[in-house]
Amino acid sequence: AQTVTQSQPEMSVQEAETVTLSCTYDTSESNYYLFWYKQPPSRQMILVIRQEAYKQQNATENRFSVNFQKAAKSFSLKISDSQLGDTAMYFCAFMTADSNYQLIWGAGTKLIIKP
Amino acid sequence: SAVISQKPSRDICQRGTSLTIQCQVDSQVTMMFWYRQQPGQSLTLIATANQGSEATYESGFVIDKFPISRPNLTFSTLTVSNMSPEDSSIYLCSVVKGLAGGPAYEQYFGPGTRLTVT
Repeated sequence: AQTVTQSQPEMSVQEAETVTLSCTYDTSESNYYLFWYKQPPSRQMILVIRQEAYKQQNATENRFSVNFQKAAKSFSLKISDSQLGDTAMYFCAFMTADSNYQLIWGAGTKLIIKP
Repeated sequence: SAVISQKPSRDICQRGTSLTIQCQVDSQVTMMFWYRQQPGQSLTLIATANQGSEATYESGFVIDKFPISRPNLTFSTLTVSNMSPEDSSIYLCSVVKGLAGGPAYEQYFGPGTRLTVT
């Protein structure tokens, strides 16, 4: 079975610090996509960053970057210069190319940025 | 990306009644999904709704309890029928934009409907 594991239920850091959220996944497929979604208290689910498994280069979106280790099946999210607005639930999600676009979700990590 | 709206944003309902949630997208999309999210938890897929075909339900969800309509490429409804307090949850719709201009595999979400059943 394909699974996504987020081992950190909750994390908190000071504003402006860097924080890394961990995610591991399990699949026997070779063609897949990985995502990090953010859900603030407003509950709007927002796509933060995506990574195609066939790309070796780690994805980056402004202050957000990933460390994609395909062999280890690891997909961590690094948030640099954290801001109060980064406070949210962060979900790691995974989709295979032949899954009819169905996402498999991790349990989520609650991130709190303290002033 | 896609702009998605849901109605209502929240509701408090009596047990035994039904509520229909609407999902409207600002452009035509092929696939739409309905999710349930218990407070503080991850998302659980209820069903996939494609225009012109019956919705495909995930294990544990049945059409009699969660009937879905998909009359066109920009709109869908999910009905939560014969509600019980266990149905209290956030319900979200999402879309996959399979059109030119963006990766076909990205999903975009509506703002969610918070349902409380008393």
